[in-house]
Amino acid sequence: AQKITQTQPGMFVQEKEAVTLDCTYDTSDQSYGLFWYKQPSSGEMIFLIYQGSYDEQNATEGRYSLNFQKARKSANLVISASQLGDSAMYFCAMREGSGNSGYALNFGKGTSLLVTP
Amino acid sequence: GAVVSQHPSRVICKSGTSVKIECRSLDFQATTMFWYRQFPKQSLMLMATSNEGSKATYEQGVEKDKFLINHASLTLSTLTVTSAHPEDSSFYICSAWDRDGYTFGSGTRLTVV
Repeated sequence: AQKITQTQPGMFVQEKEAVTLDCTYDTSDQSYGLFWYKQPSSGEMIFLIYQGSYDEQNATEGRYSLNFQKARKSANLVISASQLGDSAMYFCAMREGSGNSGYALNFGKGTSLLVTP
Repeated sequence: GAVVSQHPSRVICKSGTSVKIECRSLDFQATTMFWYRQFPKQSLMLMATSNEGSKATYEQGVEKDKFLINHASLTLSTLTVTSAHPEDSSFYICSAWDRDGYTFGSGTRLTVV
C-alpha cells in the first residue's frame, strides 16, 4: 500500500505567489517523521523541512512551512514568495519509527513545480 | 554540514559489464546506508539497506546477486551493478544515516548501451 501520496503531478505558480504542495501519509506508528525534499534537474536531493509526529508546532524554515494536520494524516508544504529557482520536483517522505534508529525514508511520487515570471 | 561524496556522477557502460558506485561520508560516520534507484520522472525506490560490517537487506524484487552492496567501513559503501543491461539504466542515489539525520549523495546516472 502506498504510504505517501502526492496527488499533484504538476503545479504552476506565478513568481512571488505562495503555493501549497499536498502530501498525505499512512502509518500505524505513533512515532514517525515527515520530510520534504527538492530535487532540481541535476538530481541532488535538497532537504527542505522536517516535522516530527510529536511536534505540536508546524515546522518552518525560511520561506518553507509545513502544514501538519495529524488527524487527517496530511503534511502539506507551503512555499511563500515563490522564486524562479523554486522550479523543481518536490518529494514528500516519511520515516516510520523513532529517529534513534536508521529507518529508510519512503517517498511519494513527487510534484513537479514550475514557477512562471 | 554533513557531506556524502558519490562517484561517479555519470557513467556509460556496455551491456554485460559491471559498474561500481561509491558513496563516502566525508565528515561523519554513516551507521546505515540506503541505496535508491530512480527512473525518469518517477520516485525514489529503496533498493537496499546496509549497516557497516553486515550483509545488506534487499527490498522485494531487487536481485541481490546483481546489485552487490558492500559497507566495509563507517565511511564507505559501494554498489556494484553486475552484468549490467539496458534496463538497469537509471539514477542511483545513496543516503547515509546517522543520529543527525539523512544525508544524500549527489547521485549517479547510469546508462547501459
